[in-house]
Amino acid sequence: GQSLEQPSEVTAVEGAIVQINCTYQTSGFYGLSWYQQHDGGAPTFLSYNALDGLEETGRFSSFLSRSDSYGYLLLQELQMKDSASYFCAASNQAGTALIFGKGTTLSVSS
Amino acid sequence: DSGVTQTPKHLITATGQRVTLRCSPRSGDLSVYWYQQSLDQGLQFLIQYYNGEERAKGNILERFSAQQFPDLHSELNLSSLELGDSALYFCASSVGSGPSNTGELFFGEGSRLTVL
Repeated sequence: GQSLEQPSEVTAVEGAIVQINCTYQTSGFYGLSWYQQHDGGAPTFLSYNALDGLEETGRFSSFLSRSDSYGYLLLQELQMKDSASYFCAASNQAGTALIFGKGTTLSVSS
Repeated sequence: DSGVTQTPKHLITATGQRVTLRCSPRSGDLSVYWYQQSLDQGLQFLIQYYNGEERAKGNILERFSAQQFPDLHSELNLSSLELGDSALYFCASSVGSGPSNTGELFFGEGSRLTVL
């Protein structure tokens, strides 16, 4: 089976940096994705790591350590519009569907 | 706009009833995935179809069934509905048989089902 653990809530202020951690237990792990969801809207893809290390996409970066079964999403220069739920999701070597964590609600205040 | 279309957007029905949710994937995508999201819950994977064939099954109840048609649209059938089935049901699509090397799925806006 597969399970992913991430904090339920994180709070931060505008302009700050926040890190959302994700630990996973999966069989045949292949890669870790991150998605953003605003208020029950469609989840949208942010980033993906299949190899160890840091992937940077604008203000968002994602990191993976396969040996530690751990990854994180780093959000820099936070803006109010970044208030949303963030999900990590694991894919397996069979290439079948993504399995999602329960999500982290990020609240950004001024 | 992801290019994935789901209908209906909202649906209210009574316990014991049956509903059908419809999904049209992005043009060219062969895989369709169904996810259920209950209040304050993550996205629970239900089932995946690739080019008309079931490819992977998650925590899908026996009361639920799905299929993918030759034109690649998919339907999720929910029967003998219970209060606990109230949720957002998302459809997602991808080109290949899985999230591919980019880990990206394209999600529709969801169908919100309320069972009274």
